[in-house]
Order: sequence, then C-alpha cells, then structure tokens
Amino acid sequence: EAGVTQSPRYAVLQEGQAVSFWCDPISGHDTLYWYQQPRDQGPQLLVYFRDEAVIDNSQLPSDRFSAVRPKGTNSTLKIQSAKQGDTATYLCASSLTANTGQLYFGEGSKLTVL
Amino acid sequence: SQLAEENPWALSVHEGESVTVNCSYKTSITALQWYRQKSGEGPAQLILIRSNEREKRNGRLRATLDTSSQSSSLSITATRCEDTAVYFCARNYNVLYFGSGTKLTVEP
Repeated sequence: EAGVTQSPRYAVLQEGQAVSFWCDPISGHDTLYWYQQPRDQGPQLLVYFRDEAVIDNSQLPSDRFSAVRPKGTNSTLKIQSAKQGDTATYLCASSLTANTGQLYFGEGSKLTVL
Repeated sequence: SQLAEENPWALSVHEGESVTVNCSYKTSITALQWYRQKSGEGPAQLILIRSNEREKRNGRLRATLDTSSQSSSLSITATRCEDTAVYFCARNYNVLYFGSGTKLTVEP
C-alpha cells in the first residue's frame, strides 16, 4: 500500500514569493490534515478536511495560507507572499475516520524563506 | 495551546539500556497516542492507549496511562541506535495536537 506522498520535498523562496505544496493521501482515506512543524517543535495543525469539506481551518495563520481538496482526494496548501516566519516543514497526513484514529504522515515539504 | 507535553526535553542513552519518556496532558481524554519522528521523516504511530486501559505493549515498547494524574509514559527496552528520534504524545483520536517532543539519542 502506497503511503502519503508530498511534493516538493524542499522549497527555498525569497520573502514575498508564493509556493504550493501538494499531497496525495493513502487511497480510501477520507480525512486529510496539514500540519506546520517549525524547527525543533512539534507539528501544529493548520487545517483538516473530511472528503472535500473543510472541517477546521481556524488554525491557518493568516489570509496568506489557503488549502483545498476539491475532489476529496489530493490536496494543495498554498502560501502567498511568504515570510521568514513561515520557514518550517509542512506535513500532510491522512486517516480513515472509521478506524482507530491513527494518522499516517508523509515525509513533509521543507520550506525555507530567505 | 499545548494540551499534551512530553518530558524531559532530551535524553541520551547507550544501546541496550532502557529509557522512559513521560507525557502530561491537561484535559480528559478518550485515548492517548505515542508517535516517533526520525530525522527527515514524518511522525509514525507507535502505540494507541485508550482511556480505559492502563498498559499497552508493542514489542520493546510499553505505554502506561494514569488518568487520575493525567499522565502517560512510554518505555523502550533494549534500545538500538535506530530508536534515535523525537517522541511525541498526542491526545485522543483523529485530530491530534502534539507537544514539543522528547529528543532521544541512542549512542553505540
């Protein structure tokens, strides 16, 4: 069974640039999460979806962040006008609501904003 | 907000030794999960322990849960270099909120 796939693995931007991260969850998983993990900190939830619906996006830092999951499968997290404080690894995870609640994480996309 | 927190912040042991990581949480739970994150990887679940369980094992791993003191522990016996990672606890199911983690280093 394929795991959660994320791309790109690395991104380096200047402040003010935009970036999009893509996530392909485990097939059949209805719930998809985006986490932000600054260096030496734990993952912090940004947003999560059940199928194509946003369940909670209250933790998205600002209007510069947006996330979509239009067909209830793949998802894109976009950061517009990036700032140095956005430097972090962005982790995507998926789960099957009906199971024990285990989250399966991808390897993450490491963003550096200069 | 940090609803679950691991301690200590960092640990270092030699291969073959046993080690325990602790977790404290601030509100009632239905379950507590332990995850491990190796360098360059996403977190991976180790153990899920439900609120009506006191102990759960997975190979060399043993998790305990004390709901009266709102605490949990994860013990690893016969540690190996590949156990070097950051260990997190997280409350409940599905939507998980992580602490800052305990960085464990296992030296040869």
